[in-house]
Amino acid sequence: RKEVEQDPGPFNVPEGATVAFNCTYSNSASQSFFWYRQDCRKEPKLLMSVYSSGNEDGRFTAQLNRASQYISLLIRDSKLSDSATYLCVVNEAAGNKLTFGGGTRVLVKP
Amino acid sequence: SQTIHQWPATLVQPVGSPLSLECTVEGTSNPNLYWYRQAAGRGLQLLFYSVGIGQISSEVPQNLSASRPQDRQFILSSKKLLLSDSGFYLCAWNRAGVKDTQYFGPGTRLTVL
Repeated sequence: RKEVEQDPGPFNVPEGATVAFNCTYSNSASQSFFWYRQDCRKEPKLLMSVYSSGNEDGRFTAQLNRASQYISLLIRDSKLSDSATYLCVVNEAAGNKLTFGGGTRVLVKP
Repeated sequence: SQTIHQWPATLVQPVGSPLSLECTVEGTSNPNLYWYRQAAGRGLQLLFYSVGIGQISSEVPQNLSASRPQDRQFILSSKKLLLSDSGFYLCAWNRAGVKDTQYFGPGTRLTVL
């Protein structure tokens, strides 16, 4: 079983719609969680951290469910520029190493 | 502010040739440094990380090596490239001693022919 698993997609989303997707992690001792965005042939960039109480940044909402060991990302009012691959990232309890999911590809279409 | 540089941006090398990729960080001191590889359509695989000068930890056995000759310089090398070494190589940094996210450089796209 992979340590961090994501649905690879693609999620085809009409412009203006809402899209949500999850990521599951296997290590119950994981402490920190992040969503990164990666555009085609570019480096990953931090989108947002995920806090235990859930957090929102503009049109983006992240949730953490420790009991079921998953995090989610919701994008409201999707823009064409939201088209990208979204990487789920988990920081293990020991050390400072990040484990990356394979990414979920989102395609926003007019 | 901190910035991270990588070069070259792209590289095409024949099988069996040597490799040297460089990464430097500006605007911080004593960072943790990381090398990742991303194969086409795949996730990021951690190759090496370093918590200080001369300190290298290898995550997977492979054809590559890493060195950290200076505090903010991280080098990825190979004596003889394999076809399977092709991929997108990313350097990243974060602050030492803090449960922190990582910040990536622009990457080097390596094609081994």
